[in-house]
Amino acid sequence: GAGVSQSPRYKVAKRGQDVALRCDPISGHVSLFWYQQALGQGPEFLTYFQNEAQLDKSGLPSDRFFAERPEGSVSTLKIQRTQQEDSAVYLCASSLTGPNEQFFGPGTRLTVL
Amino acid sequence: RKEVEQDPGPFNVPEGATVAFNCTYSNSASQSFFWYRQDCRKEPKLLMSVYSSGNEDGRFTAQLNRASQYISLLIRDSKLSDSATYLCVVNEAGSYQLTFGKGTKLSVIP
Repeated sequence: GAGVSQSPRYKVAKRGQDVALRCDPISGHVSLFWYQQALGQGPEFLTYFQNEAQLDKSGLPSDRFFAERPEGSVSTLKIQRTQQEDSAVYLCASSLTGPNEQFFGPGTRLTVL
Repeated sequence: RKEVEQDPGPFNVPEGATVAFNCTYSNSASQSFFWYRQDCRKEPKLLMSVYSSGNEDGRFTAQLNRASQYISLLIRDSKLSDSATYLCVVNEAGSYQLTFGKGTKLSVIP
């Protein structure tokens, strides 16, 4: 069956631009997570949705980061006024429910020039 | 700050060797433990959960020591295809967050 998909796979942005990253979770998965992975590091938690409700956004690094999942399926991570330190791979993961056994998408590699 | 510590490696081992990775976690409220595998420029994939009694999946054995806040992964009879980064992951009770270590890189050499 289809796994988690993300688009775009690669994004180059000029500093100050806004970007939107899309995640299509596995059909029927209630839980959706966003992570940020810098080079040489493990993924860092950003935010969590249960259906359309954003239950935890404590990992979002600043108010320039915003995520939504309005219909409880597709999710979008938006970064406003991108900075060079935002350069990373942004991973989306979904699970049937809760934090266990998460299935990751291939990620979006964001480069901010 | 919740932390998961791993030896970054790299571990370079010959085919057929046995290799062990260790991980320590600082949050005593951690309740669930996992090993994920991440191939170069790919997404992490769940390798196995780690249970208090220890568990085995083929050539892979995971151990948990709650008193020492220590997790291990043993790989027997290493294959070339085992080359990857192994991420130690913990989840705190009542939290939806997974906390990842930086990963240990393994290269299995012919």
